[in-house]
Amino acid sequence: AIQMTQSPSSLSASVGDRVTITCRASQGIRIDLGWFQQKPGKAPKLLIYGVSTLQSGVSSRFSGSGSGTDFTLTISSLQPEDFATYYCLQDYNYPYTFGQGTKLEIK
Amino acid sequence: QVQLQESGPGLVKPSQTLSLTCTVSGGSISSGNYYWSWIRQHPGKGLEWIGYIYHSGNAYYNPSLKSRVTISVDTSKNQFSLNLSSVTAADTAVYYCARDLVLAAGQDAFDIWGQGTMVTVSS
Repeated sequence: AIQMTQSPSSLSASVGDRVTITCRASQGIRIDLGWFQQKPGKAPKLLIYGVSTLQSGVSSRFSGSGSGTDFTLTISSLQPEDFATYYCLQDYNYPYTFGQGTKLEIK
Repeated sequence: QVQLQESGPGLVKPSQTLSLTCTVSGGSISSGNYYWSWIRQHPGKGLEWIGYIYHSGNAYYNPSLKSRVTISVDTSKNQFSLNLSSVTAADTAVYYCARDLVLAAGQDAFDIWGQGTMVTVSS
C-alpha cells in the first residue's frame, strides 16, 4: 500500500497566519490526492480533490499544489474556524490511504 | 441534497460480526459515477479506508481487512452495508460511510459523508 506521510503532525498558528501542510507519498500518485478537514466529533469534510480543485462551497483561502510524490495544502489567512485536523488522501490506487493527520491549533 | 446516514449496533461482542448500514437519501445510489465507501477512525487516531462498492455489486476491500470484510448494496432500499466478522477490541472505531465521485480524469472526490457511528467491541 502507498504510504502517505504528513508534516508537521501538529502546528500552532495565529489568526491571519499563512500555513502550509505537506503530504509525501511513498510512490508517485500523479495528481490523485485530496485534502480533508475534520473537527472534533464531526465527519471529515472534503476541501480539495485532484490536488488543486476546490470543492464547491469551500473558501478560497484553501489551496493545494504538487504532483508525483510531494503535495501541499496552504491556508492563506487563518480564520478561527480553520483550527482543526487536516488529512490528505491518495486515491491513485487501492487501497486508498490517508496521511496521519496534522492538528492545527491556536497559538 | 444527498445525505448519508449510518445505522447499526453501537456495541458488538468479541468474535461476533459487526453489521452497519448506510442509507442514502436525496438521490439514487445507482445514479452517476459514484462509488460507496466505508471508512473508519480508531479513537483519537487517523482514518482508514475499508473498501467500496459500486451499485452493480462490484466491491474492493482493503487487504488489511479483506478476509473479514463484506460490503453489499441493496439498490431497492438505496442502502449499502458493511459486515466485519470476527471482531476484536482493535475494531472499536467510528465508522463512516461516504460517497466517492470518480471523475473522468480518474481523480476521486469523497464529497459526502455520513455523521459516523461509534462501534465498541466489548463483552
